[in-house]
Amino acid sequence: DAGITQSPRHKVTETGTPVTLRCHQTENHRYMYWYRQDPGHGLRLIHYSYGVKDTDKGEVSDGYSVSRSKTEDFLLTLESATSSQTSVYFCAISRDRTPGELFFGEGSRLTVL
Amino acid sequence: QKEVEQNSGPLSVPEGAIASLNCTYSDRGSQSFFWYRQYSGKSPELIMSIYSNGDKEDGRFTAQLNKASQYVSLLIRDSQPSDSATYLCAVKSGGDDMRFGAGTRLTVKP
Repeated sequence: DAGITQSPRHKVTETGTPVTLRCHQTENHRYMYWYRQDPGHGLRLIHYSYGVKDTDKGEVSDGYSVSRSKTEDFLLTLESATSSQTSVYFCAISRDRTPGELFFGEGSRLTVL
Repeated sequence: QKEVEQNSGPLSVPEGAIASLNCTYSDRGSQSFFWYRQYSGKSPELIMSIYSNGDKEDGRFTAQLNKASQYVSLLIRDSQPSDSATYLCAVKSGGDDMRFGAGTRLTVKP
C-alpha cells in the first residue's frame, strides 16, 4: 500500500463549472502524476510533479492545471469543465529509487454533463 | 509520436494454460518497460518491470524484452480465473515520459 488517497472518488458536475481533484500521499515521495483513463486510449499523462512547486505538462494537459504546495498533496484543477473531460482520473506516485514504477490511487470518476 | 500498441482482446484461455500478451512500441530510445494488471473498476497495479533484453521471471509471470524488434511480452503460466483482468503495457523513455498501451483484456475460463 503506497498510502495514496484521492478525493472525491465520484463527482458529477455541469459544463463550465470548476472542479478540483485532490491526491494525498503519506510517504513523502517526490514524483506525483495525474493520468486520465478513457476506453480505447489507455492511461494518458496530464501533468506531473517532481517536487513542491515543480510541475510539468504531460501528453494531454490542455484544459487542466495543477498545484503542489506541499509534498503530500497534488491538486488537479479543471478551470471550466467540458464533456470531453468526463473520465476516470488516477493519481500515481513513483519511488525515487525505482522511477517509472508507478503506484496508483483508487481513481476519481468525473462526469461532466 | 511515441506509440505503445497492444491487441485489445479479449484474449480467452482455459484455466491452467499459458496466456501470452504482447506489446510493441515505436520509440527506439525507450529504456524501461512495465506490465500493469487492472481489474474491472479498480486501479492499475504493477506486476512486472524489465529493463534489459531477455526474460525476467517472477512466480507464474515472465516478461520478455526484445529491443531490436521493439516488443515486450508477458507470459502467465498456469493461468487462473483470478488472472482475468486487463493488462497494460507501459514504456518509459529517458526523462519522465511514460506511455501506456490501451490494454489487453484477458479472460481465464474455468
